[in-house]
Amino acid sequence: DAKTTQPPSMDCAEGRAANLPCNHSTISGNEYVYWYRQIHSQGPQYIIHGLKNNETNEMASLIITEDRKSSTLILPHATLRDTAVYYCIVRISGTSYGKLTFGQGTILTVHP
Amino acid sequence: EPEVTQTPSHQVTQMGQEVILRCVPISNHLYFYWYRQILGQKVEFLVSFYNNEISEKSEIFDDQFSVERPDGSNFTLKIRSTKLEDSAMYFCASHPSSYNEQFFGPGTRLTVL
Repeated sequence: DAKTTQPPSMDCAEGRAANLPCNHSTISGNEYVYWYRQIHSQGPQYIIHGLKNNETNEMASLIITEDRKSSTLILPHATLRDTAVYYCIVRISGTSYGKLTFGQGTILTVHP
Repeated sequence: EPEVTQTPSHQVTQMGQEVILRCVPISNHLYFYWYRQILGQKVEFLVSFYNNEISEKSEIFDDQFSVERPDGSNFTLKIRSTKLEDSAMYFCASHPSSYNEQFFGPGTRLTVL
């Protein structure tokens, strides 16, 4: 799985959009970008994933650059409960099974 | 909404003792995982399990570790002779055959004294 680089920490004001970047310059054509988050030592929680098109669900939006070397997770209206560690993970999808390789992630702090 | 459950939430044991951590994956899921997270460190993959056998294991998963799905619902992680460095949060995860989104349990905090 390709390596990812994320900033160690970010701040965001409550109600504002949180934009979390991730670099994955060595991503290969069949690798997807996944985002998970971990709220205070709870189990990681899936947020969203994508291959090359932008994706949106009820939690977030994922913007992937045209060259696929980087992506941005957008939480459109951050709340205090979005304070968590956010992990960007690149891995092959379409396989029936496969481990997730977590990095250090980005600690997002949402403040009032 | 169905969820992965884990018991106990906190286990305290003496070094050298055996522990069994239990997980109940979501009922229609077929792929199962154990991860661990030492305090302040990143989440690390231990083992994946499918069709009643180990699919992949990490270097951490040595002979002291074993996994089992004894009754079609529970998925267990056994550590035969615990060491101080086994103290960590242990997370179980699962997913159904056609998805790669892994659903994680709340974790078991293992403290080895």
